[in-house]
Amino acid sequence: DAGVIQSPRHEVTEMGQEVTLRCKPISGHDYLFWYRQTMMRGLELLIYFNNNVPIDDSGMPEDRFSAKMPNASFSTLKIQPSEPRDSAVYFCASSFMLAGGDTQYFGPGTRLTVL
Amino acid sequence: AQTVTQSQPEMSVQEAETVTLSCTYDTSESDYYLFWYKQPPSRQMILVIRQEAYKQQNATENRFSVNFQKAAKSFSLKISDSQLGDAAMYFCAYRVIQGAQKLVFGQGTRLTINP
Repeated sequence: DAGVIQSPRHEVTEMGQEVTLRCKPISGHDYLFWYRQTMMRGLELLIYFNNNVPIDDSGMPEDRFSAKMPNASFSTLKIQPSEPRDSAVYFCASSFMLAGGDTQYFGPGTRLTVL
Repeated sequence: AQTVTQSQPEMSVQEAETVTLSCTYDTSESDYYLFWYKQPPSRQMILVIRQEAYKQQNATENRFSVNFQKAAKSFSLKISDSQLGDAAMYFCAYRVIQGAQKLVFGQGTRLTINP
């Protein structure tokens, strides 16, 4: 199993630019999560999907952030326009409820730097 | 709201010795999961061990074991025979069984292994 795949691994952009982060969950998993990790706030959930439907987006910081899951094997997190305070590591994770659903498997993360 | 507290920002141990990382949590739920994740310098979040709150027996995975005290809301991780590869950030996390699927993380403990 290839695990959760995220791209890009690193992204450097300038303030005001649009940023799109991508995630491919583990095949067969029905939950997908986006987390953000910063020194100040630690690891926090941004949004999660169940069967491609957004369930809880209360962690999305602002309207500049949006996430989609057009199918079971792909999700995007978009920031438009980006700001320096968005600099963080963004993780995607997936899990399979029928197998207990208690373990979330994380991707390698995308380190985003907004100049 | 559920919270997870790791009171030790940093810990160090001699190689081959045993170390215990502390974690406490606050919840009004009776059924939940607890996890320890390891984050090495590669940034990858790796599941170390998990515990179901309804199980009285402490979980064990090779050199890793937990001391789960439900009444005290304590969930410590013991690493036996520490190895250089154990050096990482360790995060304690909580998740309810029913309802919201999000993981609530502690702030982490940085573990250093001294050769």
